[in-house]
Amino acid sequence: QVQLVQSGAEVKKPGASVKVSCKASGYIFTGYYMHWVRQAPGQGLEWMGRINPNSGGTNYAQKFQGRVTMTRDTSISTAYMELSSLRSDDTAVYFCARERTGDEDYWGQGTLVTVSS
Amino acid sequence: DIQMTQSPSSLSASVGDRVTITCRASQSISTHLNWYQQKAGKAPKLLIYAASSLQSGVPSRFSGSGSGTDFTLTISSLQPEDFATYYCQQSYSAQITFGQGTRLEIK
Repeated sequence: QVQLVQSGAEVKKPGASVKVSCKASGYIFTGYYMHWVRQAPGQGLEWMGRINPNSGGTNYAQKFQGRVTMTRDTSISTAYMELSSLRSDDTAVYFCARERTGDEDYWGQGTLVTVSS
Repeated sequence: DIQMTQSPSSLSASVGDRVTITCRASQSISTHLNWYQQKAGKAPKLLIYAASSLQSGVPSRFSGSGSGTDFTLTISSLQPEDFATYYCQQSYSAQITFGQGTRLEIK
């Protein structure tokens, strides 16, 4: 069965970077885009971008251009999202989600990133 | 970017009520519209995809309609487990966007 397992919670200081991982299993990793979505406390869902695990090509939301980098390691079926120059308003739960195909829709469990001095 | 506007932002209703949530896109997105349900502390769950197709396992009291710029999610008879937050999402553009969410509360 398809599973997306994310890395654990992180606490970072303002100005630092964080790198969240998302390990995929149960399907061909290179066959589907991987998306990243975040949710600040009490707020809505915000799409950050996506990566094509086959080519490594990326599309980022304009808001995060220059601060986010999405990469992948196909040898271990893992996608990564790195966010730099962290601010307090980057405190959020970060989700990875496999590209939806028809009614197949899979999300990771979420990773809480807390930015605090 | 395509902007998605949901209404209402919050809604109080009773078990058994019929509820409709609307979502409007800033430009035509054909039927590239999905609806998600999210409960506290959980990842979103897909309910409806391609505007009107019901996700496998989702109760038939949920339905979606619309095309172009205007879409609706209808719950025909609210059940206790339906109290949650609902989001629309457009997947027409490579730059995916979500609505701001509709919080459905028990009256």
